[in-house]
Amino acid sequence: KAGVTQTPRYLIKTRGQQVTLSCSPISGHRSVSWYQQTPGQGLQFLFEYFSETQRNKGNFPGRFSGRQFSNSRSEMNVSTLELGDSALYLCATSPGQGETQYFGPGTRLLVL
Amino acid sequence: AQSVTQLDSHVSVSEGTPVLLRCNYSSSYSPSLFWYVQHPNKGLQLLLKYTSAATLVKGINGFEAEFKKSETSFHLTKPSAHMSDAAEYFCVVTRPNFGNEKLTFGTGTRLTIIP
Repeated sequence: KAGVTQTPRYLIKTRGQQVTLSCSPISGHRSVSWYQQTPGQGLQFLFEYFSETQRNKGNFPGRFSGRQFSNSRSEMNVSTLELGDSALYLCATSPGQGETQYFGPGTRLLVL
Repeated sequence: AQSVTQLDSHVSVSEGTPVLLRCNYSSSYSPSLFWYVQHPNKGLQLLLKYTSAATLVKGINGFEAEFKKSETSFHLTKPSAHMSDAAEYFCVVTRPNFGNEKLTFGTGTRLTIIP
């Protein structure tokens, strides 16, 4: 089976811009979660989608949003980028909610 | 409530010697515990998981971990380190059958292998 795919792998943006990241899950996986990884804060949960519905949300501002499509692919969007949004954004998928997650390689975002 | 503490931020071992990465957890319920490994510029790869079955869990690449409830620990071990083991390792605790917002990650242990 193909693993979790994330695109793009690297991204450079400037403050104030917006960005959209994509995650394609392992075939048969319906739950998609997003995480932000930074040296200072470590790994932090952003949100989880299951059956096209946001099921859980972490403690991030409303500038961070996401969605899931009927084929389980997910996108996350960050608007009005800030320098502090520079991070590795990881997507993890699982067959259902609360099951073992499998991570993608991540998208490294640099905000200048 | 739950938390996880990785007791060492950095561990260095010589190639061919044993590896011990320490993880303590705190949980008000019977937890599920995981170890993930992250190689440079890569995502997290699942090494092994404990979900209330056998307390000694065997994972990939020769790693294993033992769940010790009395010590609230879930240390990761490997008998003989290989150069390819150099990476960052994360201990993760969660409440079984709950949503992923319940995943709590440790701060990571960077493993260096000395040739």
